[in-house]
Amino acid sequence: ETGVTQSPTHLIKTRGQQVTLRCSSQSGHNTVSWYQQALGQGPQFIFQYYREEENGRGNFPPRFSGLQFPNYSSELNVNALELDDSALYLCASSWTGTGTDTQYFGPGTRLTVL
Amino acid sequence: AQSVTQLGSHVSVSEGALVLLRCNYSSSVPPYLFWYVQYPNQGLQLLLKYTSAATLVKGINGFEAEFKKSETSFHLTKPSAHMSDAAEYFCAVSVWTGNQFYFGTGTSLTVIP
Repeated sequence: ETGVTQSPTHLIKTRGQQVTLRCSSQSGHNTVSWYQQALGQGPQFIFQYYREEENGRGNFPPRFSGLQFPNYSSELNVNALELDDSALYLCASSWTGTGTDTQYFGPGTRLTVL
Repeated sequence: AQSVTQLGSHVSVSEGALVLLRCNYSSSVPPYLFWYVQYPNQGLQLLLKYTSAATLVKGINGFEAEFKKSETSFHLTKPSAHMSDAAEYFCAVSVWTGNQFYFGTGTSLTVIP
C-alpha cells in the first residue's frame, strides 16, 4: 500500500506567477483535501475533492483552484501568486463512505514566493 | 462552527518525564478528534483518533488521549518522554466522515536529556 505522495517537494516562484502542485492519494482512497500551513501555524483547510467534485471550501480566494482526476489524484493551482502564499501545502487523502475515516497526509510541497 | 485551542505553544520536559499536551475543542455536534505529529520538514503523521467509541484512546509510540465531554478536552499524554518525541503536535477536530479538519496552532515539544 503506497502512501500519499506530493510533487514537487520545493518550489520557488515570483509574485504574479502561477503554480500547480500535485498529489497522489493513498491506494483505495477517494477523497483529497488540501491544506495551507504557514510558518509556525496549524494547517488551514483550502478545499476538498470527492469523486472529482469540489466538496467543501475554506476561506481562500478563487485564485486557489483544484482538480481531482478519475484515479483520485489531485492538483492545486494558485494564480497570481502573492508573497503571503509562501507556505507548506499539504495534501491529505481519505475514504469517504460508511464508518469513520482518517485523513492521511503527504510530506507537503514547500512554496516560496519572492 | 468547530475550533481547537492548544494551550502552550511550547512545552519542555525532561527525558523520562510525563508528557501532557493540552487540547480543547469547540463543536456544536459530537466531534471526531485527532492528534497528529509533525517532524521538521515533514508532513503530518496520525498519532491517534477519537471517533465516539472508547473515551480513552491509545495511539502509536506510547501516546494516549482521553476525551472528556464535560471539559471539551482531548489532552495528549505519554508516561515517559523519549528524545525522539521532540516534534510539533497538532490537535484537530472534524464533525463527520470526510469533512474538513480544523487544526490548532500546534505545540512544540522539546525533550531535555
